[in-house]
Amino acid sequence: AQSVTQLDSQVPVFEEAPVELRCNYSSSVSVYLFWYVQYPNQGLQLLLKYLSGSTLVKGINGFEAEFNKSQTSFHLRKPSVHISDTAEYFCAVTRTDSWGKLQFGAGTQVVVTP
Amino acid sequence: DVKVTQSSRYLVKRTGEKVFLECVQDMDHENMFWYRQDPGLGLRLIYFSYDVKMKEKGDIPEGYSVSREKKERFSLILESASTNQTSMYLCASRTNPGATNEKLFFGSGTQLSVL
Repeated sequence: AQSVTQLDSQVPVFEEAPVELRCNYSSSVSVYLFWYVQYPNQGLQLLLKYLSGSTLVKGINGFEAEFNKSQTSFHLRKPSVHISDTAEYFCAVTRTDSWGKLQFGAGTQVVVTP
Repeated sequence: DVKVTQSSRYLVKRTGEKVFLECVQDMDHENMFWYRQDPGLGLRLIYFSYDVKMKEKGDIPEGYSVSREKKERFSLILESASTNQTSMYLCASRTNPGATNEKLFFGSGTQLSVL
C-alpha cells in the first residue's frame, strides 16, 4: 500500500515571500502524484500532477512541484505568495494501475499575512 | 466544464437514522468515489465504483454502503448513523481511462453532523 506524509500541518508566510510545502510518499509500485488546494468553504481543486516525463511540474496560480524519486518526495513551491493563496493544500498519490483511488496526506494549512 | 453535484451542503441527522448522500456527475464518467475529510487526517476513501452496479471498498468502508444504479449517480448510505460519522463527505468522478487529460473532479462537499 502507498502512503503520504505532509511534514507541516501549518505554514505561516508573509505576502510576496516564497513558500514550500513538503510531501513525502512511500510505495512499492509506480505512482502518480498530485497536489490539490481547498480554499475556504470550497471543494478541492487540482493544482498540478505528475504522471510521467519531466520531474518539474508546473501548475495553476504559479505553483510548481518537483518529483524526486530517490527521496520519494513531491514538494510544492511558489516563489511569491498572495493573500489569496491562503488555503489548505493536500498532497495525494495513487498507484498507476488504480488511478483515482487517491491516498491523501493530512493537509497543510497555508496562512498568508500582509 | 465537468460538474459534480452533491445534493446537500449541510445535513443534520440523529444517531440511528438512515442517511443518504447523493452525488451526480454530468460527464458520463465511469469511475466515481466517496471520500470523507476530517481535520488532521486529510481525505480517506470510503467506497468507489468503476461502473454501474459495480463497487469496491476503499480504506474505511465500515458503517457505509453505496449504490450505483445509474452511471451519473453514486449514493453513499449510512445504514445507522453514529456520531463518529460526523464529517465532511466529498464525492469525486474521474475522467474515463485513455482520456487525454486524466483528472479527478470533486463536488463541493456535504457537511454531515450526527447528533
